[in-house]
Amino acid sequence: DGGITQSPKYLFRKEGQNVTLSCEQNLNHDAMYWYRQDPGQGLRLIYYSQIVNDFQKGDIAEGYSVSREKKESFPLTVTSAQKNPTAFYLCASSSPVGMNTGELFFGEGSRLTVL
Amino acid sequence: AQSVTQLGSHVSVSEGALVLLRCNYSSSVPPYLFWYVQYPNQGLQLLLKYTSAATLVKGINGFEAEFKKSETSFHLTKPSAHMSDAAEYFCAVSEGFGNEKLTFGTGTRLTIIP
Repeated sequence: DGGITQSPKYLFRKEGQNVTLSCEQNLNHDAMYWYRQDPGQGLRLIYYSQIVNDFQKGDIAEGYSVSREKKESFPLTVTSAQKNPTAFYLCASSSPVGMNTGELFFGEGSRLTVL
Repeated sequence: AQSVTQLGSHVSVSEGALVLLRCNYSSSVPPYLFWYVQYPNQGLQLLLKYTSAATLVKGINGFEAEFKKSETSFHLTKPSAHMSDAAEYFCAVSEGFGNEKLTFGTGTRLTIIP
């Protein structure tokens, strides 16, 4: 079945450690996104990528990094510079401009807890 | 810049009663508007979307929403609530042609009273 797979689903990290969240999609979508979700704040965009080897900062990119070496994969690294990393992280994808109207397909999310 | 305001972070309705979740938007161009639903510890699923066609949009699970330009609103309704409707609902706006980032509201948690 086509979809988006995020791993791990739950992750614990000590302060000062970097951690990488995986996001893989087999929908043949060009665009991929990372959102952060906190209670009462909705979803905030961290990074997005519209094509392989290219990505743009979203609204809250500080303390995060991404890569887009393959169309199917868009991993997110939460670095030690991120001051408040405990959150629920959602990866999403969408098909190219002109082929859809902005609908995002979401993974099941990764919950990161910093101890 | 685009933005979305969802009135009411928590809404409770009795089973069988009308569900009304409010969403107002701000956009400098004709918007695309979306409602998504999220069940606990899961990702978001699209309920319905408005893309400048019919102003009354029907979605999955019996939900519908009406685009009202004069009121800059896109409220979500369902005539009769079911226990399975308990979830968090997000309204979102996009100004692009499909590949632009969405701006989400802060969400409304819907509780169904038996």
